[in-house]
Amino acid sequence: GAVVSQHPSRVICKSGTSVKIECRSLDFQATTMFWYRQFPKQSLMLMATSNEGSKATYEQGVEKDKFLINHASLTLSTLTVTSAHPEDSSFYICSAGHLAGGGGEQFFGPGTRLTVL
Amino acid sequence: DAKTTQPPSMDCAEGRAANLPCNHSTISGNEYVYWYRQIHSQGPQYIIHGLKNNETNEMASLIITEDRKSSTLILPHATLRDTAVYYCIVRGPHGSSNTGKLIFGQGTTLQVKP
Repeated sequence: GAVVSQHPSRVICKSGTSVKIECRSLDFQATTMFWYRQFPKQSLMLMATSNEGSKATYEQGVEKDKFLINHASLTLSTLTVTSAHPEDSSFYICSAGHLAGGGGEQFFGPGTRLTVL
Repeated sequence: DAKTTQPPSMDCAEGRAANLPCNHSTISGNEYVYWYRQIHSQGPQYIIHGLKNNETNEMASLIITEDRKSSTLILPHATLRDTAVYYCIVRGPHGSSNTGKLIFGQGTTLQVKP
């Protein structure tokens, strides 16, 4: 299957700082990428849909000014957690897919573990 | 997207087939059934997907009932490395109002035992 990478894999930051997470599709072009968040012992929760060249679409309850998403190219989307607080500590996962036509596969990155002190 | 129902946990003996059920009684005619799994602290891994017909690949088989209201993921010879949370997801085709996004439920935690 296709490869999606994330960087960094793990980050620890102080409360109030901003953290940028990169998501790259390494061997295919992705017009759409998705960002998820996962708290311990819980399922993945979709945060937003990232569209290349346009504004992201956020799920209900996700603050767009706190979680800034940029999808500047067909292989890169970034998620910036602004003014991070301890409650933002979580496992952030992106995905990208071959979505043309009907059923398409979607591939996930390895995730980024964010710890806010 | 249709909701799915899965048992919270299952055990399977190593080397035996693991059969993971999923109910999706409100599935629409153009919605696909996807299966992903997540090994601890990793991103989800795509396994298989199907619309109406049964599907098989190198990882697993997907059996979809004729009325499409339920499906079963079959791992033919489970190994210890198959221990993971398995998610059954129903999703409309790209271009629908949901733009292909996947909504995860709680999944089934499969424990493969030696």
